Amino acid sequence: DTEVTQTPKHLVMGMTNKKSLKCEQHMGHRAMYWYKQKAKKPPELMFVYSYEKLSINESVPSRFSPECPNSSLLNLHLHALQPEDSALYLCASSQLPGLAGGPAEQFFGPGTRLTVL
Amino acid sequence: KNEVEQSPQNLTAQEGEFITINCSYSVGISALHWLQQHPGGGIVSLFMLSSGKKKHGRLIATINIQEKHSSLHITASHPRDSAVYICAVQDDKIIFGKGTRLHILP
Repeated sequence: DTEVTQTPKHLVMGMTNKKSLKCEQHMGHRAMYWYKQKAKKPPELMFVYSYEKLSINESVPSRFSPECPNSSLLNLHLHALQPEDSALYLCASSQLPGLAGGPAEQFFGPGTRLTVL
Repeated sequence: KNEVEQSPQNLTAQEGEFITINCSYSVGISALHWLQQHPGGGIVSLFMLSSGKKKHGRLIATINIQEKHSSLHITASHPRDSAVYICAVQDDKIIFGKGTRLHILP
């Protein structure tokens, strides 16, 4: 299984809602990533988890709360979002750099398209 | 911080044409990725390169480490190749280029 899955595919939420995005992989990857992508822009890194521990937080507002409950799952909890948070949220996974003797290829999921009203 | 420049930003070509997309970066890296993104979302990894050249079907990617430059070539282009092609360089993090929007006309 060389796939990263994300649910839901689309999400519409109000500014007072609480919702969660889910990401799953069964490739044995120990690094998982959240990216945010606005229309016609490249992805921007939000968070990196290594061995289920948060290793990078790119100064993301606290209304985004990541969680890695186990090595296959990555969640992004959303609360009190703003309309400007509307974007495509991409999850990716990879082997940890160094385990295979070099940089690791990232495998991306299809994304969740989030609209905040 | 690494600066990643892609050219062209937009490219329209006829079916069957040979396509070249270029990527330059400013600081040494451990790997360079070429990614494909179709309208509506998901990203597909096409290549990861540290040196030399790789080929998958009609796609060829090359990298020149000394010149800090990579190219993605598509031979016998087809309308289904229409997508955004993104160059991304990796050291401790991945830094993405702005992408090249390719449109192949039938």
